[in-house]
Amino acid sequence: DAKTTQPPSMDCAEGRAANLPCNHSTISGNEYVYWYRQIHSQGPQYIIHGLKNNETNEMASLIITEDRKSSTLILPHATLRDTAVYYCIVRVAGSSASKIIFGSGTRLSIRP
Amino acid sequence: DAGVTQSPTHLIKTRGQQVTLRCSPKSGHDTVSWYQQALGQGPQFIFQYYEEEERQRGNFPDRFSGHQFPNYSSELNVNALLLGDSALYLCASTGQAFSYNEQFFGPGTRLTVL
Repeated sequence: DAKTTQPPSMDCAEGRAANLPCNHSTISGNEYVYWYRQIHSQGPQYIIHGLKNNETNEMASLIITEDRKSSTLILPHATLRDTAVYYCIVRVAGSSASKIIFGSGTRLSIRP
Repeated sequence: DAGVTQSPTHLIKTRGQQVTLRCSPKSGHDTVSWYQQALGQGPQFIFQYYEEEERQRGNFPDRFSGHQFPNYSSELNVNALLLGDSALYLCASTGQAFSYNEQFFGPGTRLTVL
């Protein structure tokens, strides 16, 4: 079973920040938080990951609470192309290349 | 860099038949994983190949088998197809030497079993 809980759907106005929450209350000390998204009929795309510090890249920002039991993915200026299913995943990083256990994700709709 | 490629794009088979799906990993990657995604659900892990051996396996029957070639490409074989095998089959690649092993997914093969 997936170790994360996400709302099934959200919507956001184009140009605004989209904030996608994720609960992972049973996360272990060596597990990272990963985010992937899947645009309709395409393969999932890696977005960002983090351990305990906030992370930012060209696609998004990841805010992890101090107790690491929840996180938020932020898309700073959402566009119509950000419409997708977003998956929050916890897994061990490192050379073992561990499998990804996907949950149901959050279906994000961007409205014009 | 072409990224992860999969073939064919779409496939239609009938119950009881056998199917082979193919995957070429991203350049520099040596580990290939296969996932099955039923309509409206998240992908489910089938198995992973590294050094031409199956390293991890999900909860799938023996009808699902695979192979990895010396050039790191991989095949997924499904025997005795069932209607429930209709799904999007995704291949993902990563490298054992990478610290964070974010996996790169291909576009998938859409299998329809009639």
